[in-house]
Amino acid sequence: SQKIEQNSEALNIQEGKTATLTCNYTNYSPAYLQWYRQDPGRGPVFLLLIRENEKEKRKERLKVTFDTTLKQSLFHITASQPADSATYLCALPSDNYGQNFVFGPGTRLSVLP
Amino acid sequence: KAGVTQTPRYLIKTRGQQVTLSCSPISGHRSVSWYQQTPGQGLQFLFEYFSETQRNKGNFPGRFSGRQFSNSRSEMNVSTLELGDSALYLCASSLVLGSTDTQYFGPGTRLTVL
Repeated sequence: SQKIEQNSEALNIQEGKTATLTCNYTNYSPAYLQWYRQDPGRGPVFLLLIRENEKEKRKERLKVTFDTTLKQSLFHITASQPADSATYLCALPSDNYGQNFVFGPGTRLSVLP
Repeated sequence: KAGVTQTPRYLIKTRGQQVTLSCSPISGHRSVSWYQQTPGQGLQFLFEYFSETQRNKGNFPGRFSGRQFSNSRSEMNVSTLELGDSALYLCASSLVLGSTDTQYFGPGTRLTVL
């Protein structure tokens, strides 16, 4: 079955810097991959989806890359702010039907003022 | 448009009891998925319903079950509760899972088993 690793459990960066989070997966390559943000005590909130034929996707200060050869996605937050502090999860469908999603363990990002 | 709602938000039960959690998806969404989130295991898929049919099930024992009603509202049931069932239970709705449709999560139900 599909397994996902995210680079670190926690990441601390200074305000204004770029945060880079990594998501690595094993087994088959999914048709797409998603990134979510989760704040304590709340459900995850969808941020970005990137398809296998897209190398890069941007949304405001967020950028996601998808390298199907390396089986890796990178999630960047530029000009980070303390409000960006949260846990970030990557998720991908566990099979080609996409009816079962597998989530990574998450990276807890802390942006220090 | 109202978001995904889950009731109750908090629940305390004792071992051996059973519990029913409820999820109301976003209006028009027909797919509802359930997840269990714990500090040790992270977010794990329980099952997914579409048009009142369970289409997929995660690797959980049969004590975990669910159903979906004709209005797309869904319930999940856990029988013979164990201490390890303490978790945040999240439901997510989407128009049609199996495509690239976004999943919208509810706030979750925090279940504590004593």
